[in-house]
Amino acid sequence: DTEVTQTPKHLVMGMTNKKSLKCEQHMGHRAMYWYKQKAKKPPELMFVYSYEKLSINESVPSRFSPECPNSSLLNLHLHALQPEDSALYLCASSEGQLNPWEAFFGQGTRLTVV
Amino acid sequence: AQSVTQPDIHITVSEGASLELRCNYSYGATPYLFWYVQSPGQGLQLLLKYFSGDTLVQGIKGFEAEFKRSQSSFNLRKPSVHWSDAAEYFCAVGSFSSGSARQLTFGSGTQLTVLP
Repeated sequence: DTEVTQTPKHLVMGMTNKKSLKCEQHMGHRAMYWYKQKAKKPPELMFVYSYEKLSINESVPSRFSPECPNSSLLNLHLHALQPEDSALYLCASSEGQLNPWEAFFGQGTRLTVV
Repeated sequence: AQSVTQPDIHITVSEGASLELRCNYSYGATPYLFWYVQSPGQGLQLLLKYFSGDTLVQGIKGFEAEFKRSQSSFNLRKPSVHWSDAAEYFCAVGSFSSGSARQLTFGSGTQLTVLP
């Protein structure tokens, strides 16, 4: 199984809502990532979990809250988002120490904030 | 700091024609280089990678890339383009960030249009 599965595929939420994005992989990877991608732009790194510990937080606003319950799961909790947060949110994973950069990406969650 | 430049924002080729997408990197040590492809509204798929060794690397879908250290380049090529190759292509370099975590730095991407 070489897949990274993200749910939901599409999400529309109001600015006062709380929602969560989910990501799952069963490749035994020990590094997992959240990226944000605006239209016609490259992915921007938001968070990195390495061995289930948050190792990078790229100055992301606190309305985005990551969580890594175990080595296979990664969540992104959303609260009080702004319309400019509308984007494609991509999850990725990589082996970690042995091959840290060969990332497998999920299909993404298309988020619209209204 | 590492960086990746893709000079061509948009390239149009006819189906069956050859393709070359340019990528230049800036990195102090031996780079770990990647090409990813993204179809509209989809995630990214790894096409090929270079870590070390042979400077001409083969990837999936008939793509290849050549690492040229003297030119700091890692250009992607395909001899004959298919309509299904129309997509966004990202070059990336693997780098160390603060602490021990590692990450990819992406170029701005090249949009490929294929004419019938």
